[in-house]
Amino acid sequence: DGGITQSPKYLFRKEGQNVTLSCEQNLNHDAMYWYRQDPGQGLRLIYYSQIVNDFQKGDIAEGYSVSREKKESFPLTVTSAQKNPTAFYLCASSILKGGNYGYTFGSGTRLTVV
Amino acid sequence: GESVGLHLPTLSVQEGDNSIINCAYSNSASDYFIWYKQESGKGPQFIIDIRSNMDKRQGQRVTVLLNKTVKHLSLQIAATQPGDSAVYFCAESINQGGKLIFGQGTELSVKP
Repeated sequence: DGGITQSPKYLFRKEGQNVTLSCEQNLNHDAMYWYRQDPGQGLRLIYYSQIVNDFQKGDIAEGYSVSREKKESFPLTVTSAQKNPTAFYLCASSILKGGNYGYTFGSGTRLTVV
Repeated sequence: GESVGLHLPTLSVQEGDNSIINCAYSNSASDYFIWYKQESGKGPQFIIDIRSNMDKRQGQRVTVLLNKTVKHLSLQIAATQPGDSAVYFCAESINQGGKLIFGQGTELSVKP
């Protein structure tokens, strides 16, 4: 089955640590996105990538970094510079041309600072 | 900046009733709109979409209405069931392949 997989489902981070969240898709989608969701809030865009080896900052990129070395993969690193990282992180992918432009979302990673 | 807003943050309905979730958008250039359903602890799931050259689109138990004159989008759910309880997000896109802009979300609660 085609889909988008995020791992781990739950992640705990100590103060000052960097952690990396995985996102893999086998949908052959061109674009991938990372969103942050806080309780009772909407989705805020962190980073997105429309092509391999290229990515752009979203609305809240500070304290985060990404890479897009393969079309299928778009890992997100939450660095120690992100002072309030506890949140639910969602990865999504989409095609860019030729039809439905909706996003397919992963099941999310819940990150907690301990 | 442009944003997609929702009129009601919470909506409570009786099982079997019809639900209407509203969404206002501010950018008249938006040409594609989507409704997503997000259950607790899960990622959003696509429900239905509509392009700006249409004013109505129907799916299974769901209908999306688009009123470009007043920049308003609504999602109607017929015969609401407990499994419909979730947060519903609308999203808009400007230009083909553009990023989606998400609204704040409306929490739908279905009472048995």
